[in-house]
Amino acid sequence: EAQVTQNPRYLITVTGKKLTVTCSQNMNHEYMSWYRQDPGLGLRQIYYSMNVEVTDKGDVPEGYKVSRKEKRNFPLILESPSPNQTSLYFCASREFERLDRNYGYTFGSGTRLTVV
Amino acid sequence: KNEVEQSPQNLTAQEGEFITINCSYSVGISALHWLQQHPGGGIVSLFMLSSGKKKHGRLIATINILDKHSSLNISASHPRDSAVYICAARPDQGNLIFGKGTKLSVKP
Repeated sequence: EAQVTQNPRYLITVTGKKLTVTCSQNMNHEYMSWYRQDPGLGLRQIYYSMNVEVTDKGDVPEGYKVSRKEKRNFPLILESPSPNQTSLYFCASREFERLDRNYGYTFGSGTRLTVV
Repeated sequence: KNEVEQSPQNLTAQEGEFITINCSYSVGISALHWLQQHPGGGIVSLFMLSSGKKKHGRLIATINILDKHSSLNISASHPRDSAVYICAARPDQGNLIFGKGTKLSVKP
């Protein structure tokens, strides 16, 4: 089954303790991205990657790192989490520029992160 | 000012009603996406449009490039359609710009 797998689904951590949220896709998609979703603010992009070893900042990259060493994986790293990073996080992937397709992005199931 | 505006913010309908959700954007775009977020939080991509109309079952999405406006229609609505519907514009340059979403509740 074509999917984006995110782990963990839920995570409670303490301020300053490094963590990684994993994201893996099995569709051979070039493009992958991370979003956070907050009440009243909607979805905002954190980082994205056009292909292996190519990453770029989105709208809210501060406090986050990513890497793209393999095409299928795009982990999100919080080196020193803070309470303002408490949020719902989504990873997504898509094929590159396929407007003939009806569907665009495939999203992971989300990671609800709480930083105390 | 938000570059992608959705209306209404909240919508309550009776089962069977025809639903319209609107999305207006202010930037030049290469594509517009409609997403559905289930009450459990998961997000599903419904449509990706660059012009005209696309249909999937009871759902139809249309876009008017000149007016910078898109609509999502749901016919014969059902309680299982209850979700948040999110419009996202992909500019010619740059990344997706999301609307704040429309929360739809369909009552039996």
